[in-house]
Amino acid sequence: GAGVSQTPSNKVTEKGKYVELRCDPISGHTALYWYRQSLGQGPEFLIYFQGTGAADDSGLPNDRFFAVRPEGSVSTLKIQRTERGDSAVYLCASSLTPSGVEDTQYFGPGTRLTVL
Amino acid sequence: AQTVTQSQPEMSVQEAETVTLSCTYDTSENNYYLFWYKQPPSRQMILVIRQEAYKQQNATENRFSVNFQKAAKSFSLKISDSQLGDTAMYFCAFMKQSGTSYGKLTFGQGTILTVHP
Repeated sequence: GAGVSQTPSNKVTEKGKYVELRCDPISGHTALYWYRQSLGQGPEFLIYFQGTGAADDSGLPNDRFFAVRPEGSVSTLKIQRTERGDSAVYLCASSLTPSGVEDTQYFGPGTRLTVL
Repeated sequence: AQTVTQSQPEMSVQEAETVTLSCTYDTSENNYYLFWYKQPPSRQMILVIRQEAYKQQNATENRFSVNFQKAAKSFSLKISDSQLGDTAMYFCAFMKQSGTSYGKLTFGQGTILTVHP
């Protein structure tokens, strides 16, 4: 079946602009996760959704970052007033359920964000 | 808070040989999961193998196996019969089994593995 998809694949923007990054999870997966991966580093957790609600947003770096999942499927990560330090690959993952043997996270290909 | 450390920034191996990637972690949790993920240049993070901390038996998946030492908080990955397609960045990751911050994967810094023909 189809895996996790993310759009756009690459996004170049100017400092101060607003951007939206989209994630389409695997069909039927109730849990959705966002991570940020800086060059040469491991991914860092941003936020986790169970259904429509954010179960854990402790990784969001500041209030310029916000994510939604209004219908419990597609999620959008929104970044306001972008800064050069926001440049990274943003990864999305989904899992069938948040607990038990079906909680393995499957990742999308990521969106590379470049802030000039 | 949990931390994951991969002390080998880069490793290389000849095709068909065996290589071991190291990972150590620090946690006060007793129940958790450990993972190895592979990330090729395409950026797609692919699950290689998973270990439940309550299981004493080491996980294996075809050519991939782990050496899980819970007391030492060590979780190494052994790749046997290395193939050119194994060339990638490999990440070790930790996840709590329950409670707050459940679902959050904590990753190490990664090890770049190059398989030479």
